[in-house]
Amino acid sequence: QVQLVESGGGVVQPGGSLRLSCAASGFTFSSYGMHWVRQAPGKGLEWVAFIRYDGSNKYYADFVKGRFTISRDNSKNTLYLQMNSLRAEDTAVYYCAKDGLRLAAAGYGGVDYWGQGTLVTVSS
Amino acid sequence: QTVVTQEPSLTVSPGGTVTLTCASSTGAVTSGYYPNWFQQKPGQAPRALIYSTSNKHSWTPARFSGSLLGGKAALTLSGVQPEDEAEYYCLLYYGGALIFGGGTKLTVL
Repeated sequence: QVQLVESGGGVVQPGGSLRLSCAASGFTFSSYGMHWVRQAPGKGLEWVAFIRYDGSNKYYADFVKGRFTISRDNSKNTLYLQMNSLRAEDTAVYYCAKDGLRLAAAGYGGVDYWGQGTLVTVSS
Repeated sequence: QTVVTQEPSLTVSPGGTVTLTCASSTGAVTSGYYPNWFQQKPGQAPRALIYSTSNKHSWTPARFSGSLLGGKAALTLSGVQPEDEAEYYCLLYYGGALIFGGGTKLTVL
C-alpha cells in the first residue's frame, strides 16, 4: 500500500531554514509527480509546490517562490522541501502528497494519497 | 490574485442530499481545471474523493459524485450519513500552479 512519511519539522526562528523529507513506498516513485501542501493551525489547505516525476519541472505557489525549493531523489524514493527565509506565517503542518496521474507533465492529476504531515513552527 | 471560493458552511439532514460548489475568480470552471475534491475530519490528513471533475477513487463511497454546475465545480452527497460531517476542499489546476478553495464545513444534523 502507498505510504508517505514526512520528517524534518520542528521549531525554527524567523529568517531560518529547514529541510523537510518525505519517504515514499508502495508505488513506483519515479513515475509520479509529487506535491507539498500545508495547513496552518485552524486554517484551510494551501498548495505549496509540485515536482514532475523526473524532477524536470517544478511549480510553486506565489507565497513561497524564491524561498522554498522542491526536489526529489528517485534513487532514494524521497521528496524534499528546502525552506529558507522562514516567516511566522509559514507555521503549518506540511503534507507530502502523491499526484494521481502517472508520468504527468504537471500537477493536473491532482492528489490521491497523503502523508500524515509534519509540523513546522516559526517562532522566536 | 486568483481566489477559489466555496460555501463556508452547509447543514444537511441525515439521508438528505447536498451540493457543495467551487468557483474560480478567473471565470467559469471547466474540465480543464481538473477539479479535485477532498474530505478532512478533525485531526486527520485529508482524503481524496474525486479527481478530474467526476472520477471517483476506488475508496470513494458511491453517494459522492462530482460534476460541473453553472460554471462551478460541484460535489453532491446523496443519502448523507452522519460520518460525512467534515470539512470539504476543492482543488483547481491553473496551468502549473494549483489552488485550494477555502473549504466548506458540512454539518449533518
